[in-house]
Amino acid sequence: DVKVTQSSRYLVKRTGEKVFLECVQDMDHENMFWYRQDPGLGLRLIYFSYDVKMKEKGDIPEGYSVSREKKERFSLILESASTNQTSMYLCASTPRASSYNEQFFGPGTRLTVL
Amino acid sequence: DAKTTQPTSMDCAEGRAANLPCNHSTISGNEYVYWYRQIHSQGPQYIIHGLKNNETNEMASLIITEDRKSSTLILPHATLRDTAVYYCIVRVVTGSARQLTFGSGTQLTVLP
Repeated sequence: DVKVTQSSRYLVKRTGEKVFLECVQDMDHENMFWYRQDPGLGLRLIYFSYDVKMKEKGDIPEGYSVSREKKERFSLILESASTNQTSMYLCASTPRASSYNEQFFGPGTRLTVL
Repeated sequence: DAKTTQPTSMDCAEGRAANLPCNHSTISGNEYVYWYRQIHSQGPQYIIHGLKNNETNEMASLIITEDRKSSTLILPHATLRDTAVYYCIVRVVTGSARQLTFGSGTQLTVLP
């Protein structure tokens, strides 16, 4: 089974702190994604990466950056956390060869910014 | 990607079939229908997808109408663990990385 893991299930940070969210997948997938999920807004794509050191902005990249130094790891960085970044963050991966774009999701990180 | 419409919530008795409808009247000929679900406090989980033929796997069946304007996800023998939000997504399949756009979905509650 594909396994996508995220470094924390729950995280509480203060406004202005730098926050790192880590995602690791163990199935050699090329594509990895970071989403945030908010009530009434569904999933919104922040960034995605289709290869090591490659990244593409999603729909809401402002206030975030990402890092993909190794194929299995995709990090989401909040340079200076703000209260409006309180959300559930979901990481997903999919192999490039997948014609059907079935995405495998991690369990999520619920981030609270105070 | 075509827009989808799903009921906000549904109940189903444990052991009975759960039939979750989805309308996608503006679907294009090259768009697939996908279903995902999200159990509370977990990440979304892929269930099934199809183009125009009915599909079945170990989790569920997908029935797509002949005109492709609507579909139904069927969980043949619902259990309490099937309580989740179910998302119907319609999108073009490409070989490149593409994000999924999730709407509000249907909250399915399986009752004992």
